[in-house]
Amino acid sequence: GDSVTQMEGPVTLSEEAFLTINCTYTATGYPSLFWYVQYPGEGLQLLLKATKADDKGSNKGFEATYRKETTSFHLEKGSVQVSDSAVYFCALRRGAAGNKLTFGGGTRVLVKP
Amino acid sequence: SAVISQKPSRDICQRGTSLTIQCQVDSQVTMMFWYRQQPGQSLTLIATANQGSEATYESGFVIDKFPISRPNLTFSTLTVSNMSPEDSSIYLCSVTGLAGGTHEQYFGPGTRLTVT
Repeated sequence: GDSVTQMEGPVTLSEEAFLTINCTYTATGYPSLFWYVQYPGEGLQLLLKATKADDKGSNKGFEATYRKETTSFHLEKGSVQVSDSAVYFCALRRGAAGNKLTFGGGTRVLVKP
Repeated sequence: SAVISQKPSRDICQRGTSLTIQCQVDSQVTMMFWYRQQPGQSLTLIATANQGSEATYESGFVIDKFPISRPNLTFSTLTVSNMSPEDSSIYLCSVTGLAGGTHEQYFGPGTRLTVT
């Protein structure tokens, strides 16, 4: 079945540091890939997405590129802020928009001033 | 995106009782889903709430334990029945198929349930 694997956290960084969160997936066909973010005490928010190979999703300074050859969708940000402290979830969806999302385990990121 | 609200936002319940969680969207949506997020873990889909018909449950989840209703295109409920401490989780409603063509899934703020 489908699965998503993320690097385990917590990841602790200083402000302005470079952030990478690794995400790899297993799925048949060509799934759509997503990053969601969950800030403390809040629900999940869609951060970015990519729907086909070599697509790059970007939002709020975060980027991730859909790499079919390595089945990966790593999340990066060049200079993190304290406000980026959150849990980040990688997810995939096969097929149409109404199909379910399969989530990775989540990675907690803590940015210190 | 849509505004999705859930009630209650949190609750503490005794084992053996049931709790009904409501999900309200401020616009019509095609599909509504219910997820569970157990402490420190990722999200797992419980079921897809179908308007006017029985929900579609994922493996490991059954209607007797998690009855779901969806009477219209903006509202759904999830009941957690005969609760045990293992049901302590955050329950999240999500929607897709908003008017305007967006097909991404958006999530409500969640209901934090603690069973004692």
